[in-house]
Amino acid sequence: NAGVTQTPKFQVLKTGQSMTLQCAQDMNHEYMSWYRQDPGMGLRLIHYSVGAGITDQGEVPNGYNVSRSTTEDFPLRLLSAAPSQTSVYFCASSYADGYEQYFGPGTRLTVT
Amino acid sequence: EDQVTQSPEALRLQEGESSSLNCSYTVSGLRGLFWYRQDPGKGPEFLFTLYSAGEEKEKERLKATLTKKESFLHITAPKPEDSATYLCAVHAGTYKYIFGTGTRLKVLA
Repeated sequence: NAGVTQTPKFQVLKTGQSMTLQCAQDMNHEYMSWYRQDPGMGLRLIHYSVGAGITDQGEVPNGYNVSRSTTEDFPLRLLSAAPSQTSVYFCASSYADGYEQYFGPGTRLTVT
Repeated sequence: EDQVTQSPEALRLQEGESSSLNCSYTVSGLRGLFWYRQDPGKGPEFLFTLYSAGEEKEKERLKATLTKKESFLHITAPKPEDSATYLCAVHAGTYKYIFGTGTRLKVLA
């Protein structure tokens, strides 16, 4: 099993550009989520999904969109990148709410 | 306000020197507390889940304990390969997880 995979590993964007961070899992987990990790702060939840077709906002959703058309994939879209979105982004999946989460390797995003 | 605080921020130990990391929390209803290990440039890796005060779990040189206000991650006779950042997270509500900022552990040979 590959677990949780993310692409790309690194990305540099200019302010105003849009892009999609890809996330896939092969564990048949219903729950998937996106976090951002910034220096001096704990991981913060951006969006999450409890199954195909069902998504909801987390703590810091502004500027991001998600969709979940399949159990395996959960892409994160940046609509119009801003320097404040410079961060490391992690995708995670778990069997259900309250279970341990499995994290991907992360995407380091820089917005100039 | 729900809050998770980890201490110390950083810890340097000699190989074999045991110590403890602290995770204190303030939540209205604890549903579980998780410990993760994070290596540089990688995603967090699950270590333990604790659900109720008095519960303990062990894995190799690591032992996690839980009280009503805090959790400890005890590291016994650490080795250099235990060097990492250790994160704790509180399950504070439906799909609500609050992560601490982590303790950076460096074990010197």
